Amino acid sequence: DAKTTQPNSMESNEEEPVHLPCNHSTISGTDYIHWYRQLPSQGPEYVIHGLTSNVNNRMASLAIAEDRKSSTLILHRATLRDAAVYYCIPGGNAGNMLTFGGGTRLMVKP
Amino acid sequence: DVKVTQSSRYLVKRTGEKVFLECVQDMDHENMFWYRQDPGLGLRLIYFSYDVKMKEKGDIPEGYSVSREKKERFSLILESASTNQTSMYLCASSLPGHQETQYFGPGTRLLVL
Repeated sequence: DAKTTQPNSMESNEEEPVHLPCNHSTISGTDYIHWYRQLPSQGPEYVIHGLTSNVNNRMASLAIAEDRKSSTLILHRATLRDAAVYYCIPGGNAGNMLTFGGGTRLMVKP
Repeated sequence: DVKVTQSSRYLVKRTGEKVFLECVQDMDHENMFWYRQDPGLGLRLIYFSYDVKMKEKGDIPEGYSVSREKKERFSLILESASTNQTSMYLCASSLPGHQETQYFGPGTRLLVL
């Protein structure tokens, strides 16, 4: 499994954009990059995933570096409900299990 | 909307008791998973199942067993609960070939006294 490095915690103000970084320098050429988040007292929740191109969905955007050794999850306008632990998880599209590291705890201030 | 439910949010058991944790999903997913989550250790995979009556050991299966008699239900069994099994237990499901996109239940916080 590719090793990931994420900041332990980040702070943001409500209504402002948030950029959550992740380094995955040992990622293999076929590994996707997945992001999950875990709200307090809940199970993890899928956010987004991508391979090479930047991806957008209703929850977030994922920007992937050209060399794929890092990626950034972008929340365009943070709300208090976005306060959670965000996990970056490189992995294969089939057959590989998710390996959750420590993640980044995002705190959103009103 | 996809849904994974777990039988209890909180459970208190005594050492040596047999404990059943139930998980049900309504998405007709073939794959189901059991994890435990502990501070500083992240989520660790206990067991998973690719189909009815099939099971595979994850990273930490010792002290646990599982049962998958129906597609929608995956049970985790602690044969003789011990205090080091106090943890948050999370169930998840996914489509075949899409283990990376898992849908999680709300979790069961188990305390073994």
